[in-house]
Amino acid sequence: GAGVSQSPRYKVAKRGQDVALRCDPISGHVSLFWYQQALGQGPEFLTYFQNEAQLDKSGLPSDRFFAERPEGSVSTLKIQRTQQEDSAVYLCASSPVEPPDTQYFGPGTRLTVL
Amino acid sequence: AQSVTQLDSQVPVFEEAPVELRCNYSSSVSVYLFWYVQYPNQGLQLLLKYLSGSTLVKGINGFEAEFNKSQTSFHLRKPSVHISDTAEYFCAVSGVWGGKLIFGQGTELSVKP
Repeated sequence: GAGVSQSPRYKVAKRGQDVALRCDPISGHVSLFWYQQALGQGPEFLTYFQNEAQLDKSGLPSDRFFAERPEGSVSTLKIQRTQQEDSAVYLCASSPVEPPDTQYFGPGTRLTVL
Repeated sequence: AQSVTQLDSQVPVFEEAPVELRCNYSSSVSVYLFWYVQYPNQGLQLLLKYLSGSTLVKGINGFEAEFNKSQTSFHLRKPSVHISDTAEYFCAVSGVWGGKLIFGQGTELSVKP
């Protein structure tokens, strides 16, 4: 079956531009997570959805970051007024159960802010 | 809160040699433990997990890990590595109520011929 997919795979933005990153979880998976992975580092948690409800957004680094999952399937991570420090790989993961145990990751979106 | 420490940032090893990648964690509650592998320009692939039961868990590609609660460790082992095992390996923990994964900094395994 299809895994988690993310688009675009690569995104280059000029500083100050807004970007939107998409995640398609595995069909039927209840939980969805976003992580940020800086170069040479482990992933760091950003936010977590159970169906359409955003249960934890404690990892979002600033109010420029916003995530949504309006119908409980596809999710979008939006970053407004991008800064150079936003350059990273953004990973999406989904889990079939609630509370989630095993998370299955997508290939990530590499964002480069110039 | 939980934290994870991967004790080696880089591990060079020759092909067909055994390898151990070390992981220690800290938590005030019971945990789930995971090892993921990341190949260049790819996402994270689950190698193995400990949720409950036997403390020795076997995963894909011949890897195994042992959960040691008294030493708060979850070291990853493989008896004989291949060139294709060259990748970044991440240890991760979550609380048993579920939720976010806390990752270590990663260990770069480099297998040389």
